[in-house]
Amino acid sequence: DIQMTQSPSTLSASVGDRVTLTCRASQSISAWLAWYQQKPGKAPNLLIYKASTLENGVPSRFSGSGSGTDFTLTISGLQPDDFATYYCQQYKSPPWTFGQGTKVEIK
Amino acid sequence: QLQLQESGPGLVKSSETLSLTCSVSGDSITSYPYYFWGWVRLPPGKGLEWIGSINHGGNTYDNPSLRSRVSMSVDTSKNQFSLHLRSVTAADTAVYYCARLTFQRYFDYWGQGTLVTVAS
Repeated sequence: DIQMTQSPSTLSASVGDRVTLTCRASQSISAWLAWYQQKPGKAPNLLIYKASTLENGVPSRFSGSGSGTDFTLTISGLQPDDFATYYCQQYKSPPWTFGQGTKVEIK
Repeated sequence: QLQLQESGPGLVKSSETLSLTCSVSGDSITSYPYYFWGWVRLPPGKGLEWIGSINHGGNTYDNPSLRSRVSMSVDTSKNQFSLHLRSVTAADTAVYYCARLTFQRYFDYWGQGTLVTVAS
């Protein structure tokens, strides 16, 4: 199985900050990576796929980059609605695996 | 707009079978021949775990970590698909989500999730 490791596990930030979340794969997954946002009690919401392609309707302050084993999700200008947990998921090969999540909380 | 909704018991006894159904509305499951329909769970304090997936034709693939206990089915006449997880333990307590897998195999539509607690 491909292991996905996210860091940090928790990130404290303020509204307006630029934040960067990291996801690392245990082997190369090319650009077969998706990012999801999840708020408490809600379903995950697809933000980005193919490492850097923004899903329709997702604000442009979200961006993704990376390929191979190292990936980042950047939120430029954190908004109150962005405080949530973020997961990465590889879809290079099954079983599809997720990182353990990064919780973005209010500083 | 495609919508998915999980249903099933919120409490299952240890060693019994957990059964959930996902009802799809807004379009037919058969409209997406190259897509799969899957199950993902979120145990308390842990990360997301993919359980398995099925397509409209009933072809399935699942997570090897759960394979011996998982079975899935699809009912295209009802626009539903189902999950059965046998011999559950407390470790199977989680919020269970149904979701659609795109052709590339990321998840683009999700149900709201349903909490299933396994009680001894």
